Amino acid sequence: NAGVTQTPKFRILKIGQSMTLQCTQDMNHNYMYWYRQDPGMGLKLIYYSVGAGITDKGEVPNGYNVSRSTTEDFPLRLELAAPSQTSVYFCASSRGQGNSNQPQHFGDGTRLSIL
Amino acid sequence: AQKITQTQPGMFVQEKEAVTLDCTYDTSDPSYGLFWYKQPSSGEMIFLIYQGSYDQQNATEGRYSLNFQKARKSANLVISASQLGDSAMYFCAMRGTMNRDDKIIFGKGTRLHILP
Repeated sequence: NAGVTQTPKFRILKIGQSMTLQCTQDMNHNYMYWYRQDPGMGLKLIYYSVGAGITDKGEVPNGYNVSRSTTEDFPLRLELAAPSQTSVYFCASSRGQGNSNQPQHFGDGTRLSIL
Repeated sequence: AQKITQTQPGMFVQEKEAVTLDCTYDTSDPSYGLFWYKQPSSGEMIFLIYQGSYDQQNATEGRYSLNFQKARKSANLVISASQLGDSAMYFCAMRGTMNRDDKIIFGKGTRLHILP
């Protein structure tokens, strides 16, 4: 079972470069999320989506953009990479509203360093 | 606004002892779910246990149980007979059901160290 798949697993960027972190899930989940986790810290929500074509800002959206053209895919884009965006990025998915007992399924994370 | 608080940044426990990891929460939703996740040093997030706000009994999953005290808004994770492999970061999370956005929020985590 693939679950939530994130690519790449590791990436080093130079300041000012852009990149897209890919996330895809094969569980037909409506809800998808992007989190960042700084060293020794908890998860902070960047963006989330409750379904194809719908996205909303989370706690720390600045410097990021997302799109949700399909149920399966939820890419996260960094337009102008900054050192403050060095972090581990997790994508997650879950069933939709009315399913509060459903946990999030997480990808393995993308470790991103901005130099 | 919803909030999760984990007041123990780190804990050291002797192997085979029971462990209680604290979690308090705040929400205005009448219906919500509480989750615990484990994050070992390898980095992946592992779902451990779930408690619904209307569940009559405390959740249990193997060596994990959840001490749910609704009036106190606490959902502490209890690990019985701790093992070296339990050393990890543990996160408490909450999900509401009434809001359209239905976000899941996480606490800052507790790092658990099991000592041999």
